[in-house]
Amino acid sequence: EAGVAQSPRYKIIEKRQSVAFWCNPISGHATLYWYQQILGQGPKLLIQFQNNGVVDDSQLPKDRFSAERLKGVDSTLKIQPAKLEDSAVYLCASSSTGRGETQYFGPGTRLLVL
Amino acid sequence: AQSVTQLDSQVPVFEEAPVELRCNYSSSVSVYLFWYVQYPNQGLQLLLKYLSGSTLVESINGFEAEFNKSQTSFHLRKPSVHISDTAEYFCAVTSFSGGYNKLIFGAGTRLAVHP
Repeated sequence: EAGVAQSPRYKIIEKRQSVAFWCNPISGHATLYWYQQILGQGPKLLIQFQNNGVVDDSQLPKDRFSAERLKGVDSTLKIQPAKLEDSAVYLCASSSTGRGETQYFGPGTRLLVL
Repeated sequence: AQSVTQLDSQVPVFEEAPVELRCNYSSSVSVYLFWYVQYPNQGLQLLLKYLSGSTLVESINGFEAEFNKSQTSFHLRKPSVHISDTAEYFCAVTSFSGGYNKLIFGAGTRLAVHP
């Protein structure tokens, strides 16, 4: 079974530029998550989709971050414009629905904003 | 609101020694508990989880964790560590509310195994 795929693996941009990350979840997983992991911290949930609907985006900085999940499969996360404090690893995860389901994580995209 | 506290940010240990990584949580509702491991430049992998039933859960590579409801803890233990266990370990808690799970992570504990 293929795991969660993410691209790119690394990205370096200058502040005020825009950037987009892509995620392909495990086939059949209805729930998709985007996390931000700042160095030395645990992952923080940015947005959670169930199929192609948003169920939680309470910690997404909506003035600069946006995400979509077309057709309930792939997802993209965009930052526009980027700030220095956006430097982090962006992790995508997916899971089945149901109580206590395990989330499966992709390798992450490491973003450096200069 | 739920929260997770990992009491040690770093734990150095010698190879073949026992180790305990501590995790405490707070929640007003029933929870499910997880330990994830993150190797350098990789995503997180599930190590073990507690949903219900026996309070002692085990992983395939020798780790175990015990759910203690009265102390709101879920400490991770291994009786004899290997160099390959060097990684970052994250404790996480979730409840099932509104039809979905929301996972809250601790800050992580960096386990460094020395020869």
